[in-house]
Amino acid sequence: QSALTQPPSVSGSPGQSVTISCTGGSSDIGTYQRVSWYQQPSGTAPRLVIYEVTNRPSGVPHRFSGSKSGNTASLTISGLQPEDEGDYYCSSYSSGGTSHVLFGGGTKLTVL
Amino acid sequence: QVQLQESGPGLVKPSETLSLTCTVSVGSINVGGFYWGWIRQPPGGGLEWIGNIDYSGNTYYNPSLESRVTISVDTSKNQFSLKVNSVTAADTATYYCARTGWELLPDFWGQGTLVTVSS
Repeated sequence: QSALTQPPSVSGSPGQSVTISCTGGSSDIGTYQRVSWYQQPSGTAPRLVIYEVTNRPSGVPHRFSGSKSGNTASLTISGLQPEDEGDYYCSSYSSGGTSHVLFGGGTKLTVL
Repeated sequence: QVQLQESGPGLVKPSETLSLTCTVSVGSINVGGFYWGWIRQPPGGGLEWIGNIDYSGNTYYNPSLESRVTISVDTSKNQFSLKVNSVTAADTATYYCARTGWELLPDFWGQGTLVTVSS
């Protein structure tokens, strides 16, 4: 199965907004509301920041938001903070063949 | 809040079997509606899903790894385990265990353990 496609890097200044895209296909993002986003600061384990496309777990700041259009999901971080810097990964449930999980290749966010 | 901890050897020889255990220390593994999974990340690389299991032993595997991977569960110890056979240097990675929903996507993660394949 193919991985989901993310841009390798994005950047923004404190206070600005950035959006990270995640493109899949009709067997995953295009059909299911089962997309998660993870934040991974350097040297730490991933942390869930968005689940089921748009939902934030308890404790995740409101500046993190998710959306989906067609085969592409997006993560938007508004009002960038220095602590938002790190790698971000999308993930989706997929029914292509047997049920399985796809991850994106990851996007490195730099806060300038 | 669920807590998970990986354990196992940090060094495995090529062609041998990598074995890891995940202990769920807060919360019960014997609960319907959740799966328990393994994900790995090579040094400097991205995340790769390995597979999931539920408390009754139902499994889902990454098709690209399925021929070498076995995931099992021991509800009496609140643990689940991963075995990867015939390892090569390409299996060198940080291995994470995680809890997932029915859709197999992780929500709570362990801290990860680095496994190096080298002679």
